[in-house]
Amino acid sequence: GNSVTQMEGPVTLSEEAFLTINCTYTATGYPSLFWYVQYPGEGLQLLLKATKADDKGSNKGFEATYRKETTSFHLEKGSVQVSDSAVYFCALKADSWGKLQFGAGTQVVVTP
Amino acid sequence: GAGVSQTPSNKVTEKGKYVELRCDPISGHTALYWYRQSLGQGPEFLIYFQGTGAADDSGLPNDRFFAVRPEGSVSTLKIQRTERGDSAVYLCASSSTGNTEAFFGQGTRLTVV
Repeated sequence: GNSVTQMEGPVTLSEEAFLTINCTYTATGYPSLFWYVQYPGEGLQLLLKATKADDKGSNKGFEATYRKETTSFHLEKGSVQVSDSAVYFCALKADSWGKLQFGAGTQVVVTP
Repeated sequence: GAGVSQTPSNKVTEKGKYVELRCDPISGHTALYWYRQSLGQGPEFLIYFQGTGAADDSGLPNDRFFAVRPEGSVSTLKIQRTERGDSAVYLCASSSTGNTEAFFGQGTRLTVV
């Protein structure tokens, strides 16, 4: 079956550091890939997405590239801020409709 | 409304009791999803509605769980004979169609004691 594996947290960084959160997936066919973010006290929000191989999703300084050859969709940001502290979820959508399959989430803590 | 609204935000119930969790999707959204998020885990799919009908209920864990959406808008997730293992955050999401971005509510935290 389909699955998403992402690196365990918490990841603790200093402000302006480089952030990478690894995500790999297993799926039949050609899923769409997503990163969602959950800020403290808020609901899940879509951060970025990519729908086909080699697509790059980007938003708010975050980027992720859909790598079919390595079945990966790693999230990166060049310079994190304290406001980026949140839980980040990698997800895939393999069905033609909207059912999402999520990884376990990675908590990121950015200190001043 | 402006976003997906879930009520109550918190629910504490005794083992064996019946609970109902409500979801008000974004107005006009035909697709509605329920997910369950246990502590330290990602959300797990429960059920998907397209309009009034449940198009996919493959994620419901057993027959104690049931969901309805009688008028194609508000949905209610119903859990009978609750167990301590049902404790989790129940998330609702909606999208304009089945294949567009889903918007999530803040969830209902259910605690079974």
